[in-house]
Amino acid sequence: QSVLTQPPSASGTPGQRVTISCSGSSSNIGSNTVNWYQQLPGTAPKLLIHSNNQRPSGVPDRFSGSKSGTSASLAISGLQSEGEADYYCSAWDDRLKAYVFGTGTMVTVL
Amino acid sequence: QVQLQQWGAGLLKSSETLSLTCAVYGGSFSSYYWSWIRQPPGKGLEWIAEINHSGRTNYNPSLKSRVTISVDTSKNQFSLKLRSVTAADTAVYYCARGLYGDYGAFYYWGQGTLVTVSS
Repeated sequence: QSVLTQPPSASGTPGQRVTISCSGSSSNIGSNTVNWYQQLPGTAPKLLIHSNNQRPSGVPDRFSGSKSGTSASLAISGLQSEGEADYYCSAWDDRLKAYVFGTGTMVTVL
Repeated sequence: QVQLQQWGAGLLKSSETLSLTCAVYGGSFSSYYWSWIRQPPGKGLEWIAEINHSGRTNYNPSLKSRVTISVDTSKNQFSLKLRSVTAADTAVYYCARGLYGDYGAFYYWGQGTLVTVSS
């Protein structure tokens, strides 16, 4: 029931910059803030970005978020092997009256 | 430090009721909404429902007819019941709490409970 669309995969070499997109609609990203999560295998998701572009304490500044219209993006600069994980975007949907998640993007470090 | 500890039955048969509870340690219980989120094996995240200390709730419309979320403020706990489960409900279930003022920014998570539904 994912209403936010992400590319299934993204990759880069160590040190490169990787960008993940999240496409939604006027009822979710277009009218509410976007959050991003990182999920390592076998663990609970970790909040990376909230309120479109805010990093919780302890999250490296290599992670940054942005939003424009009905789309959002997560950028990972200086890609490291520890960055190999699944990444999800999320937002409140005014029409569904529910939080919705993206389809998820698996990031691979080549 | 806030900690969420969850428990419940991990193996169910089709048509039974899933029941999970999440205990909250540390922080304020009354200032937040408390959510359940699930993740089928190898798939993405799905938000199920949320509740606050006064019992105000929101449900995912795709599950609303089968789900009840409840709160016990005397124990700082909240619970999930999902009725008439099928194999499609097999997933890791997480309890979670958001940030103050951004309740959907899930910062604290339980350890997860794998619930398997067999036919």
